[in-house]
Amino acid sequence: AQSVTQPDIHITVSEGASLELRCNYSYGATPYLFWYVQSPGQGLQLLLKYFSGDTLVQGIKGFEAEFKRSQSSFNLRKPSVHWSDAAEYFCAVGSSGTYKYIFGTGTRLKVLA
Amino acid sequence: NAGVTQTPKFQVLKTGQSMTLQCAQDMNHNSMYWYRQDPGMGLRLIYYSASEGTTDKGEVPNGYNVSRLNKREFSLRLESAAPSQTSVYFCASSEGGLAGRQFFGPGTRLTVL
Repeated sequence: AQSVTQPDIHITVSEGASLELRCNYSYGATPYLFWYVQSPGQGLQLLLKYFSGDTLVQGIKGFEAEFKRSQSSFNLRKPSVHWSDAAEYFCAVGSSGTYKYIFGTGTRLKVLA
Repeated sequence: NAGVTQTPKFQVLKTGQSMTLQCAQDMNHNSMYWYRQDPGMGLRLIYYSASEGTTDKGEVPNGYNVSRLNKREFSLRLESAAPSQTSVYFCASSEGGLAGRQFFGPGTRLTVL
């Protein structure tokens, strides 16, 4: 069955520290992979996406993610977290020829000053 | 350019009442989606419309109906609301399929008593 797992429900980091949010997927076809961010009371905003090619993708707000096929992972990283990065982050997966995403359950990030 | 708009922002219903959630986009996108977001569940697709004139069921369609009124508007109807439909509902649109990023509305918070 197709699925997306975000194993960390909550993560707390200090401002200026590095960040890695984990995402593992189970998908039969070649996946399209996405990371979205949701600030409190807001809709979701796309951070970055991977379709093919270079496995390290750059996104907005200084985020990057690396696709590792052998590990079925698409982890999100940021070298130095800012207080404004506090939000909930969702990993999503889909495949070519469909219109459906599967979203992970989200990771809520708290940033300590 | 307002993007994706949703009305209402908040709604309280009694069990058995009906209502329609409205969604409109001004980006000339072909595809539109309705999701619900519940704590610990991430986003789950209710219905989607790949293009004007077509609609399809997503992961959790029971208890809902949709109408793709025109290219801009995609409404979600609850015929007989149940407490299990208490949730935050998001509408999204994309240029076409998964290759296009999804743009999300601000959400409708629905409580069914």
